Amino acid sequence: QKEVEQNSGPLSVPEGAIASLNCTYSDRGSQSFFWYRQYSGKSPELIMSIYSNGDKEDGRFTAQLNKASQYVSLLIRDSQPSDSATYLCAVNMVEGFQKLVFGTGTRLLVSP
Amino acid sequence: DVKVTQSSRYLVKRTGEKVFLECVQDMDHENMFWYRQDPGLGLRLIYFSYDVKMKEKGDIPEGYSVSREKKERFSLILESASTNQTSMYLCASSLGSVTAFFGQGTRLTVV
Repeated sequence: QKEVEQNSGPLSVPEGAIASLNCTYSDRGSQSFFWYRQYSGKSPELIMSIYSNGDKEDGRFTAQLNKASQYVSLLIRDSQPSDSATYLCAVNMVEGFQKLVFGTGTRLLVSP
Repeated sequence: DVKVTQSSRYLVKRTGEKVFLECVQDMDHENMFWYRQDPGLGLRLIYFSYDVKMKEKGDIPEGYSVSREKKERFSLILESASTNQTSMYLCASSLGSVTAFFGQGTRLTVV
């Protein structure tokens, strides 16, 4: 069974701190990795994608990928209460037709 | 902006009913997906389609079928609804890559 693992949390950080969200995956052949944010009662929205080892920055968000360790992370700098949500890690499992496998998500709480 | 629209936000159906969940996207995307989301289990793929009239089973297709007669519309059908199909159902679409844009979700309750 190909899996994507995330700590369910909640991860609690104070406003202004760095939030670090982690994800591991089982399929070494995976090539594409995504982070989605899901507010309570809402549908997921894509916030970051990463395809190569290293860091990718977009505003306050940084995605980090280490394929050798099968590890992908999302850093949120200067966390805001509006960042409080569940963050879903998704991995493209290469099985002929590319499709995403999602982790169960990490709930982030940013306190004022 | 990509818009993926699901026909209902909330649905309550009786056990044994045939249930249709409709999804429409307005960006001419090739690929469309149906997921269900349950606490502790995350998002699980039910079916997907990469072209009109084409469909592929996802990880949990049992008890479901799909229809894609037009590129913009992808329907999920519960042939005989059961209580274990009570869930949040999410439709998504993408063009080429696996990046998916989601609809607002349909919360289905089967009683």
